[in-house]
Amino acid sequence: KAGVTQTPRYLIKTRGQQVTLSCSPISGHRSVSWYQQTPGQGLQFLFEYFSETQRNKGNFPGRFSGRQFSNSRSEMNVSTLELGDSALYLCASSFGGTNTDTQYFGPGTRLTVL
Amino acid sequence: GQNIDQPTEMTATEGAIVQINCTYQTSGFNGLFWYQQHAGEAPTFLSYNVLDGLEEKGRFSSFLSRSKGYSYLLLKELQMKDSASYLCAVTRSNYQLIWGAGTKLIIKP
Repeated sequence: KAGVTQTPRYLIKTRGQQVTLSCSPISGHRSVSWYQQTPGQGLQFLFEYFSETQRNKGNFPGRFSGRQFSNSRSEMNVSTLELGDSALYLCASSFGGTNTDTQYFGPGTRLTVL
Repeated sequence: GQNIDQPTEMTATEGAIVQINCTYQTSGFNGLFWYQQHAGEAPTFLSYNVLDGLEEKGRFSSFLSRSKGYSYLLLKELQMKDSASYLCAVTRSNYQLIWGAGTKLIIKP
């Protein structure tokens, strides 16, 4: 079974630009969660989608948005990039039908904002 | 509110045993995950506890006490490859997963 894939793996952008990250979950998984991780920090939860609906949301500004498609693939968009947005962005997928489902992580997208 | 505490960093010797603690305060608690994350890599699943007690998986064991809001991850026969960050995360009834900041484990020869 293929794991969670994320594209692109690396991105360099400048302040003010916008960026879209993509996540393809494990086949059969309907939940996709997005996290931001900066050096020395734990996982900061952005949002979770289940069956194309946002089910949970973290405390990030509205510049961070996401969506999920009918095939469970998900995208995350960050508009008006700031230097502080430089981070590793991880997505994780799970079956999502119960709150005990294990999340499996993709390799992440490393975003650098100059 | 929700809060999860783990030590920031621990050091242990190759071949020894180490216990990484995690305490939590949250409403709607369902269970607790442990993940391992090597530097520059994504977290990988280690264990999940929903009932009180000890779950053993090879060199790794995880313990949960729901009444005390406490869990620990026990690593035996430490190997250099166990140098990593260990994250605990609590699942809540609303499907939300609350993550601790992680414990960086340094293994010395």
